[in-house]
Amino acid sequence: DVKVTQSSRYLVKRTGEKVFLECVQDMDHENMFWYRQDPGLGLRLIYFSYDVKMKEKGDIPEGYSVSREKKERFSLILESASTNQTSMYLCASSRTASLYTQYFGPGTRLTVL
Amino acid sequence: SQQGEEDPQALSIQEGENATMNCSYKTSINNLQWYRQNSGRGLVHLILIRSNEREKHSGRLRVTLDTSKKSSSLLITASRAADTASYFCATDNTNAGKSTFGDGTTLTVKP
Repeated sequence: DVKVTQSSRYLVKRTGEKVFLECVQDMDHENMFWYRQDPGLGLRLIYFSYDVKMKEKGDIPEGYSVSREKKERFSLILESASTNQTSMYLCASSRTASLYTQYFGPGTRLTVL
Repeated sequence: SQQGEEDPQALSIQEGENATMNCSYKTSINNLQWYRQNSGRGLVHLILIRSNEREKHSGRLRVTLDTSKKSSSLLITASRAADTASYFCATDNTNAGKSTFGDGTTLTVKP
């Protein structure tokens, strides 16, 4: 079974802090994604990556950056956390051969005070 | 704006009844997928239907796609309390694996 893990289920940070959210997948998937999920807004794509050291902006990249130094790991970075970044963050991965089936991690609920 | 929009936003039924959820989208697509999310968890892929397919089955799930109306429906037959979850449609019009998700339908199945 594909396993996508996220470093924390719940996280509380203060405004202005630098925040790292880690995602690891164990199935050698080429593609990895970061979404945020907010009530009434559905899932919105922040960044995605098709390969190591490669990244592309999604629909809402402002205030975020990402890092993919290894194939299995995709990190989301909030350079200076703000209260409007309080949200559920979901990581996903997929194989290029079955491009459209994404496997999701359990999510990280981030609260920025 | 979201490419896929689910309808209704919330649905409550009794165990054993069928549940139907609809998804409408705006632009032409290559494929459409349905996902399920249990409360506070990640999404789980249920089924994918390609733009040249009209209907697909998987166990108690039946998905239809009408590209002329830009809509899809997900039918869950003989529902169970364990089907209680949110259901999302996701569309891809780029052929690049970058799906756009709707807001979801929250299904409650009462025992």
